[in-house]
Amino acid sequence: DTGVSQNPRHKITKRGQNVTFRCDPISEHNRLYWYRQTLGQGPEFLTYFQNEAQLEKSRLLSDRFSAERPKGSFSTLEIQRTEQGDSAMYLCASSLMTPGETQYFGPGTRLLVL
Amino acid sequence: GNSVTQMEGPVTLSEEAFLTINCTYTATGYPSLFWYVQYPGEGLQLLLKATKADDKGSNKGFEATYRKETTSFHLEKGSVQVSDSAVYFCALHHGSGNTGKLIFGQGTTLQVKP
Repeated sequence: DTGVSQNPRHKITKRGQNVTFRCDPISEHNRLYWYRQTLGQGPEFLTYFQNEAQLEKSRLLSDRFSAERPKGSFSTLEIQRTEQGDSAMYLCASSLMTPGETQYFGPGTRLLVL
Repeated sequence: GNSVTQMEGPVTLSEEAFLTINCTYTATGYPSLFWYVQYPGEGLQLLLKATKADDKGSNKGFEATYRKETTSFHLEKGSVQVSDSAVYFCALHHGSGNTGKLIFGQGTTLQVKP
């Protein structure tokens, strides 16, 4: 069990640029989640996948954000035309499909938009 | 809607002191409840969980009991160590239907002094 991995760990970009983050979940986990955490706050849910299907999206996820999980394994989160307000830690988690099952988190990708 | 409220920090204790971090929730039905811990520079790790009323979760000397009558899940430890210094997050998960997300409190910073 190698755990959830995320790449890159850090990303600095200029306002208006596009960025893409990758998440590799624990291999047998069919659920994958994206959260955003700003300084001093708890993580906020963005979206989640069950296998390749995106089942829920938060209202926090503006049209500039898109997430995919094309083969039900790894996932990507893209932010287009980044804004300074997008600066945050982006967390990925995965779990089995059983209700109440533990979500295991990756180390996160810290985004800084200049 | 569903929500989690934690006591505000920071909490500063001397080594071997007793710890309580309060957590209350608002939710319909019977959510699962979690405590996650975030050590400096690291990702979120599950500390303990409880999936039904009166369950007690425990790990590494920490305990929390799911109290439906008071909608609470307070975290306790009898004797804290310097290594327990971290940010602690209470969270709930509503597993009914397709709702997969965790809802987090704002986090409570614990600092333990030698």
